[in-house]
Amino acid sequence: EAGVAQSPRYKIIEKRQSVAFWCNPISGHATLYWYQQILGQGPKLLIQFQNNGVVDDSQLPKDRFSAERLKGVDSTLKIQPAKLEDSAVYLCASSRLGQGRHEQYFGPGTRLTVT
Amino acid sequence: ELKVEQNPLFLSMQEGKNYTIYCNYSTTSDRLYWYRQDPGKSLESLFVLLSNGAVKQEGRLMASLDTKARLSTLHITAAVHDLSATYFCAVARRYAGNQFYFGTGTSLTVIP
Repeated sequence: EAGVAQSPRYKIIEKRQSVAFWCNPISGHATLYWYQQILGQGPKLLIQFQNNGVVDDSQLPKDRFSAERLKGVDSTLKIQPAKLEDSAVYLCASSRLGQGRHEQYFGPGTRLTVT
Repeated sequence: ELKVEQNPLFLSMQEGKNYTIYCNYSTTSDRLYWYRQDPGKSLESLFVLLSNGAVKQEGRLMASLDTKARLSTLHITAAVHDLSATYFCAVARRYAGNQFYFGTGTSLTVIP
């Protein structure tokens, strides 16, 4: 089966600009996650969707970050305006609930550099 | 908040040697995952441990889970250069929407 797709793979913007990332999860996966991974650290969950509803967005900086999942499939994560500390890799993952493993499958990530 | 700690953070080992990476977590969980990440790449699933006493092995890697001690180990046997990568453990909270909490990661370098 096809994996989690993300685009773009790389993005360089100046601070105060806006940026959007796109994710297409594995077909049939109800749950979608966005993570932020700063260099040298483990991934940090930003937001979790189940179908098109938000399960958890407690660590999403809502003053500048927003995310949506249209029709319970694709998702976009937006940053507006970007700050220098937003430089990181943004990972999208998906999982299929209802099975014991609940394993998350990760996309290739989008590397964001804010200058 | 659930905390997940790994040690060591950095590990340099010679080929052919054995070593263990430890993953401690702060609250009850019966599901633990190990991932591998190569530089500039995404995370690749290695093991899924779903119960106390679970042991999984794949090649030179073996993972185990002790839910009573809140500890998982990733044992490397006779290391080879191809195992050089960063290894993350992640703990899931079953009743919190399957949220994953990742450890700090262990950067492994295997020296020929």
